[in-house]
Order: sequence, then structure tokens, then C-alpha cells
Amino acid sequence: DGGITQSPKYLFRKEGQNVTLSCEQNLNHDAMYWYRQDPGQGLRLIYYSQIVNDFQKGDIAEGYSVSREKKESFPLTVTSAQKNPTAFYLCASSMFGDNRFFGPGTRLTVL
Amino acid sequence: ELKVEQNPLFLSMQEGKNYTIYCNYSTTSDRLYWYRQDPGKSLESLFVLLSNGAVKQEGRLMASLDTKARLSTLHITAAVHDLSATYFCAVDNSGYALNFGKGTSLLVTP
Repeated sequence: DGGITQSPKYLFRKEGQNVTLSCEQNLNHDAMYWYRQDPGQGLRLIYYSQIVNDFQKGDIAEGYSVSREKKESFPLTVTSAQKNPTAFYLCASSMFGDNRFFGPGTRLTVL
Repeated sequence: ELKVEQNPLFLSMQEGKNYTIYCNYSTTSDRLYWYRQDPGKSLESLFVLLSNGAVKQEGRLMASLDTKARLSTLHITAAVHDLSATYFCAVDNSGYALNFGKGTSLLVTP
């Protein structure tokens, strides 16, 4: 069954802590994306990756980091430099220019 | 910078009524997407509009694209409660980046 998985579903972070959100896809898509959603807002692009070992900053990359060591995986690290990380994080994948398929999301809360 | 504006942002409508959600964007693009989001859930793809004049329909929803006017519409026919959700339009910026509108929260009441 093809799709995108994200884990964990809920994540709590203490001040000054780095946390990593997982995103895996088995759709054989080349491109993967991370979006952030705040209440009452649309989605904003954090990072995207077109191919393995390559990624580009989106509109709000500060305080975040990513890696793309495998085609199937695109983890996002929320660092302590991100001052307001509480949000809903959505991972997506696609072939170039095609529709994006979204994962179920991770809800991150800062304690 | 590509800007995407949806209106209305909030919409309460009675069952059985018709309504249209509008999506305007600021720069040239010929690829537009509509998504649905239920509370606390991820985004579900509704329509992909790839060219000027494109029209797609699924059930009570119909989407259209006018690239010259930089406008897409999502028309709801004879609304039912199950259509209550937030609807987003998104415009393709470069083949990789999508710019999203803020979403239209739709509530269908008896």
C-alpha cells in the first residue's frame, strides 16, 4: 500500500531541545517537502528536496534543518534556534511538477 | 513573490444552497490545486487544474481555472453537511514550490 508516513503523530519539545520529525514515502517520488501550518493559516514551505543529497530552503527555513540520504526518507530537525516551533508539520512528496501527496502530519508543542 | 488570496475565509451556508469560493493569484502560473482539510487531519487532493479553461467536477464540487484573469473558483452545488471542511487553493510557483492561500473554512448547517 503506497503512501507517506510521518512519526510521531504528537511531539512535545522542551525549551532548548532539538527534535526530529520523520517522513517516509514508498511512492518512488523524487521530490519531498516539509510544510508548516499555523492555526488559521495556509501552509508555508520550510524545505524541499528534488533528489537525494540535495535540498533547498523554502520561505521559512530558519531554525530548521533537513537531510536526504535516501530517496524514501526526508527527516526534519527543529532546532533550538526556532523560537516558535509549536505548529502542525506536514510532509509531502511528488514527481516533478505533479500533485503533492501529503502525510498525516506531526503536531509539535513546546512545553 | 507569488501571492495567493482566497475569499471568503469563513463561510457558513445552509444545506441545499450553492456557493462559490474564489482563489486569486498574483503572477503567471498554469497549474493550480485544490485541497480539502478536515479538522486535525492532513490535506486531501481534490482537483488539479493544468491549463486555462480547465474545469473539473467531482460530486457537488466543481473547480475551474482562468489563467488570464489569474482566478480559480470552487463551486459548491446543493451543499451537504459532509462538505464542512477547510478548502485550500495552491498555485505552482516553480514546479517545486506551492504557494497556498489561507484557506476557506466552510460550515454547512441544516
